[in-house]
Amino acid sequence: DVKVTQSSRYLVKRTGEKVFLECVQDMDHENMFWYRQDPGLGLRLIYFSYDVKMKEKGDIPEGYSVSREKKERFSLILESASTNQTSMYLCASSLIADNQPQHFGDGTRLSIL
Amino acid sequence: AQKITQTQPGMFVQEKEAVTLDCTYDTSDPSYGLFWYKQPSSGEMIFLIYQGSYDQQNATEGRYSLNFQKARKSANLVISASQLGDSAMYFCAIRSNYKLTFGKGTLLTVNP
Repeated sequence: DVKVTQSSRYLVKRTGEKVFLECVQDMDHENMFWYRQDPGLGLRLIYFSYDVKMKEKGDIPEGYSVSREKKERFSLILESASTNQTSMYLCASSLIADNQPQHFGDGTRLSIL
Repeated sequence: AQKITQTQPGMFVQEKEAVTLDCTYDTSDPSYGLFWYKQPSSGEMIFLIYQGSYDQQNATEGRYSLNFQKARKSANLVISASQLGDSAMYFCAIRSNYKLTFGKGTLLTVNP
């Protein structure tokens, strides 16, 4: 089974802090993704990566950056956390073929105080 | 740009009955994929079923089937013989290139 592991299930940080969310997958997937999920808005793509050191902006990249130094690890960085970044963050990975599903981690519920 | 519309914010079904969750999509890409995911209250996203735009037959996966009507741009999920454990949020998504675009979801409640 594919395993996507997010480093924290719950996280509380303060406004202005630099926040790192880590995601690791164990299935040698080329693609990795970061989403945020908010009530009534569904899942929105922040960034994705289709290869090591490669990244592309999703629909809502403002206020976020990402890092993919190794194939299995994809990090989401909040450079200076703000209260409107309080949300559920979901990491996913997939093989490159179009018919392959994305496999999700359990999510990190991030609160910015 | 891709768009998914799920018009049913909430649905109720009796245990052991079938239920259909609606999904319509909009895309200008000739090749795309449609996915359904389940999200229980615990939060994890679970992949259920996939339909490719060029697939001739409707996808089936156990109790899940996909009613794919390409001309109508609809990809409805049918769950047969509902179980209490089917109570969850259900998301329809369309994939084009690497990206998935999700609908806002339907909350399904299965009543005993």
